[in-house]
Amino acid sequence: GQQLNQSPQSMFIQEGEDVSMNCTSSSIFNTWLWYKQDPGEGPVLLIALYKAGELTSNGRLTAQFGITRKDSFLNISASIPSDVGIYFCAGQSTDSWGKLQFGAGTQVVVTP
Amino acid sequence: GAVVSQHPSRVICKSGTSVKIECRSLDFQATTMFWYRQFPKKSLMLMATSNEGSKATYEQGVEKDKFLINHASLTLSTLTVTSAHPEDSSFYICSASHLGLAPTDTQYFGPGTRLTVL
Repeated sequence: GQQLNQSPQSMFIQEGEDVSMNCTSSSIFNTWLWYKQDPGEGPVLLIALYKAGELTSNGRLTAQFGITRKDSFLNISASIPSDVGIYFCAGQSTDSWGKLQFGAGTQVVVTP
Repeated sequence: GAVVSQHPSRVICKSGTSVKIECRSLDFQATTMFWYRQFPKKSLMLMATSNEGSKATYEQGVEKDKFLINHASLTLSTLTVTSAHPEDSSFYICSASHLGLAPTDTQYFGPGTRLTVL
């Protein structure tokens, strides 16, 4: 079952606005991953984080691996219509044998 | 790089038949492949983990005789839904990882297979 808390559950924003979402875990993770999923498609990897405190950008996306190793956030700046989709965080702990734990997802809706 | 394909993308079958879904890593060797199931508006639910050449490890509550997984090579894993029933209708997604591809076992996902059982 899921052990990650991802929030918010959904966001309705206007084009051009920034978006922020985060995930928290009760356990320590070695890896945080952020994926985007479009309807009827598989998740696409956006950003991978491997070190506590790491801040990584991918275009208008920025994500950080929390210092406590129990949280991560994803920011999208200057949103555009194609940012619509569901964003999932996923984390991996040392004893997970490579398995990922997923957040429940954040649905982002961008209106013109 | 790190492209994963799935075939078929969608399948409709009659109740009682078996359906095979293929997952291929196209540009890397996948030491581990994972099979997920996703219900509408829900997150991904891990079904099983498979390593090349060994038996798959199934998550609690997933029937191994119902969902047969074969990982015969470093680029191919198959999921066979045996004697499918309408409640097996779902979106099935595979992912693949290789330790050497990233600092840790980053998973790359296929595009998913929509299974509808009539």
